Amino acid sequence: GIQVEQSPPDLILQEGANSTLRCNFSDSVNNLQWFHQNPWGQLINLFYIPSGTKQNGRLSATTVATERYSLLYISSSQTTDSGVYFCAVTGNQGGKLIFGQGTELSVKP
Amino acid sequence: SAVISQKPSRDICQRGTSLTIQCQVDSQVTMMFWYRQQPGQSLTLIATANQGSEATYESGFVIDKFPISRPNLTFSTLTVSNMSPEDSSIYLCSVDVGLNTGELFFGEGSRLTVL
Repeated sequence: GIQVEQSPPDLILQEGANSTLRCNFSDSVNNLQWFHQNPWGQLINLFYIPSGTKQNGRLSATTVATERYSLLYISSSQTTDSGVYFCAVTGNQGGKLIFGQGTELSVKP
Repeated sequence: SAVISQKPSRDICQRGTSLTIQCQVDSQVTMMFWYRQQPGQSLTLIATANQGSEATYESGFVIDKFPISRPNLTFSTLTVSNMSPEDSSIYLCSVDVGLNTGELFFGEGSRLTVL
């Protein structure tokens, strides 16, 4: 099945810093989503982005489907950005949403 | 999107008991899924909850351990049976709201601790 790898596994930032999180996938995808899991365990949708670029406030994401990767950019990070960021994909044949192992982000004041 | 409510949000359970988690959606949805997240791990699909028929389980998950019901298009339950400490996890309900994109939305999760 399709493999999803995220990097880095963890990241510590000072408040105000920028960061880039990466998601590599092993095959063509129909669906790619980025999620933020807050410290209470809630999974929040950030982007649905199987291709192209999207922006939402301080966050933006780019997926280059032909090269099988996606990037999540966080600018001017805040302590509330802390948590785990997951990338998840569904292959072109459909099927289940497969999650990467996540990037744990900690933003220090 | 949709509003997805799960109950309970958290619970502490005794070994050998069973617990049923409820998932309620504020609109009719075609696809509902149940995921498990063990401590420090990523999310793993348990099963697809099919309305009016038996759930479709992923490899490694069986109906006797995780019975699922889906009586209508807005509601599903997941039971964790005969619990052991290894079942301590966050259990999450997920729905496809039918945007024809495959985009999934998640409930707030149910955090179970088994002693």
